[in-house]
Amino acid sequence: KQEVTQIPAALSVPEGENLVLNCSFTDSAIYNLQWFRQDPGKGLTSLLLIQSSQREQTSGRLNASLDKSSGRSTLYIAASQPGDSATYLCALAGYSTLTFGKGTMLLVSP
Amino acid sequence: DARVTQTPRHKVTEMGQEVTMRCQPILGHNTVFWYRQTMMQGLELLAYFRNRAPLDDSGMPKDRFSAEMPDATLATLKIQPSEPRDSAVYFCASGLVRDGQGHQETQYFGPGTRLLVL
Repeated sequence: KQEVTQIPAALSVPEGENLVLNCSFTDSAIYNLQWFRQDPGKGLTSLLLIQSSQREQTSGRLNASLDKSSGRSTLYIAASQPGDSATYLCALAGYSTLTFGKGTMLLVSP
Repeated sequence: DARVTQTPRHKVTEMGQEVTMRCQPILGHNTVFWYRQTMMQGLELLAYFRNRAPLDDSGMPKDRFSAEMPDATLATLKIQPSEPRDSAVYFCASGLVRDGQGHQETQYFGPGTRLLVL
């Protein structure tokens, strides 16, 4: 059974800092890995999707990497802004379903 | 702007009552998922459908939960009878598995139904 761990559980940084969120998983037989953002009281929004054959994906100030051999993924956020404050979840895709980590709650202070 | 819709957004009920949550997936998507989110457990998959057929409901307590897709535009999750431990946010998500591929592309989440069972 796939297990997904996200560290740290919470992170507080001042505006402008670059930061890294970590995700580790136990089963490397995945189809893809996704990073989601969840704002308080809202649903999840997909940020980046990395196919199992890829090593990284970039979107604006976000860069996600995938290392299947070590069972790790990172989400790098450059020049953080208060609007980045949210919970970030990584999810591993098996054949048809997603297994989620419990998320990292990020607070970016002005 | 296509999106997944869920109703109701909030529900407060008493233990023992029946609760029905509804979801309208994005038109054209062929897979629908029901998740439950709690502080302790995070996001848990309850059930999912492909082309309206249930593929996996192993995450659901079978004695009280049931999930159906009466048609391609409606998915329902029912709890009968409800218990306080069912209090959580229930998310519906939809996605697309293309012909010739088995794996799931990204999922699109609804805003969730916040359920409180007293």
